[in-house]
Amino acid sequence: QQPVQSPQAVILREGEDAVINCSSSKALYSVHWYRQKHGEAPVFLMILLKGGEQKGHEKISASFNEKKQQSSLYLTASQLSYSGTYFCGTLSVGSSGYSTLTFGKGTMLLVSP
Amino acid sequence: ETGVTQTPRHLVMGMTNKKSLKCEQHLGHNAMYWYKQSAKKPLELMFVYNFKEQTENNSVPSRFSPECPNSSHLFLHLHTLQPEDSALYLCASSSFPGTTNTEAFFGQGTRLTVV
Repeated sequence: QQPVQSPQAVILREGEDAVINCSSSKALYSVHWYRQKHGEAPVFLMILLKGGEQKGHEKISASFNEKKQQSSLYLTASQLSYSGTYFCGTLSVGSSGYSTLTFGKGTMLLVSP
Repeated sequence: ETGVTQTPRHLVMGMTNKKSLKCEQHLGHNAMYWYKQSAKKPLELMFVYNFKEQTENNSVPSRFSPECPNSSHLFLHLHTLQPEDSALYLCASSSFPGTTNTEAFFGQGTRLTVV
C-alpha cells in the first residue's frame, strides 16, 4: 500500500521554508526520500531508519516518527535548485520475501525568484 | 549520471508493434526494477528481479514481458500495447535486496507513446 504525501504541491519564494509529509497505514521500518526534476530520473536524497531519527542533505533535513508511522521533509531557506517533485518511499515485503520500494504520489515543489 | 542507463530515451510505437526497452547498470547491484510513471500517478512498481530471478510481478498485463539475462541487464518487451500504456518507464537498481537501508538508483527513463 502506497504512502500518502501532503501537500500535493507547494509554491515558494526563494529563501522560504517548506515541509512535506509522508504517512503510512502500515508499520514503517524505513523511509526513503527522492527528488525528481522535470525530465530527469529520481535522485536519492536520504534514508531514515530509526524512529525519531533525523538526517540532513544540504539544507534539507528529515525526521522519522516510527510510532506515528510518518516522516517529514524540511526544506530550509529554499533555493531555486530545490524545485522538483519529491517522493517518499516505504519498504514492503513481497510474497517472495524480498523488500520493494513503494512510492507516494509525490509533492511538486516550485521555488520562484 | 546515476550509473543506470536506459535506451531508447523516447519511443513511439503503434498498437500492433513489438519493441523492447533496455536497462543497463554496472554498479554491481543485484536487484533491478521496472517502474511506470504516468501523469498524475505515483511511481508504480511493475517488476522486481533479484539475482536475475523475478521476485515481484505487480499484476502487470501480459503485454509487458520482462527479461533479465544477467545482473547487469534488464529488458522490457512490449507487444500489442494500448494508448493508456503511454508513460515514462523507469528502471532502477539497488545493491542488497531485502534490506531497509539500500538506496535505489534510477535511469533517465524511456518516454513511451503508443499511437
